[in-house]
Amino acid sequence: DSGVTQTPKHLITATGQRVTLRCSPRSGDLSVYWYQQSLDQGLQFLIQYYNGEERAKGNILERFSAQQFPDLHSELNLSSLELGDSALYFCASSVASSYNEQFFGPGTRLTVL
Amino acid sequence: AQSVTQPDIHITVSEGASLELRCNYSYGATPYLFWYVQSPGQGLQLLLKYFSGDTLVQGIKGFEAEFKRSQSSFNLRKPSVHWSDAAEYFCAVGARETSGSRLTFGEGTQLTVNP
Repeated sequence: DSGVTQTPKHLITATGQRVTLRCSPRSGDLSVYWYQQSLDQGLQFLIQYYNGEERAKGNILERFSAQQFPDLHSELNLSSLELGDSALYFCASSVASSYNEQFFGPGTRLTVL
Repeated sequence: AQSVTQPDIHITVSEGASLELRCNYSYGATPYLFWYVQSPGQGLQLLLKYFSGDTLVQGIKGFEAEFKRSQSSFNLRKPSVHWSDAAEYFCAVGARETSGSRLTFGEGTQLTVNP
């Protein structure tokens, strides 16, 4: 158990819908990262927040957005869902903003039908 | 931009045999490197990391990895594999950015362990 929690574990929804994935970092960690794991793209970095501020951005679609709240939990919002958005979404956390290891949560499996 | 190559998509070894998983990276500066393991239906567990210093690093579960700058490699090794080591292994490189960081992962190596 890494100490990073993600909810829900599984999510099944339809195309065009909007969903919110939630992540709570390890106690004491200020950085939260989101990654997407799919069969065709592998593990891809989406976005990083540090203490509420966006710090790094990957190839995150415009339909996706994220935020980190004052209590340091983070949410990833996915809208206008497409079949291709079906994937495992991981959250990771770390103590600092850079130059440190990241600890991963168990992931949320999103299925878009 | 950084990248990671794991040349072996799938490796099969017998229980008790030695193991080496290959990882090559591309990064303009001194990298920091990681190996993660993912069991079916699980998240990624950190096995070991390299930031600087001794190029041979020890990790959990009896794994070690060696950083070779001249070969841009960070291969993972284990002297004697256990059936419970069957999983997918990911090598990752960390980018040192101005104010944040990201991990770039290889495509993974699936390890099968035969009894």
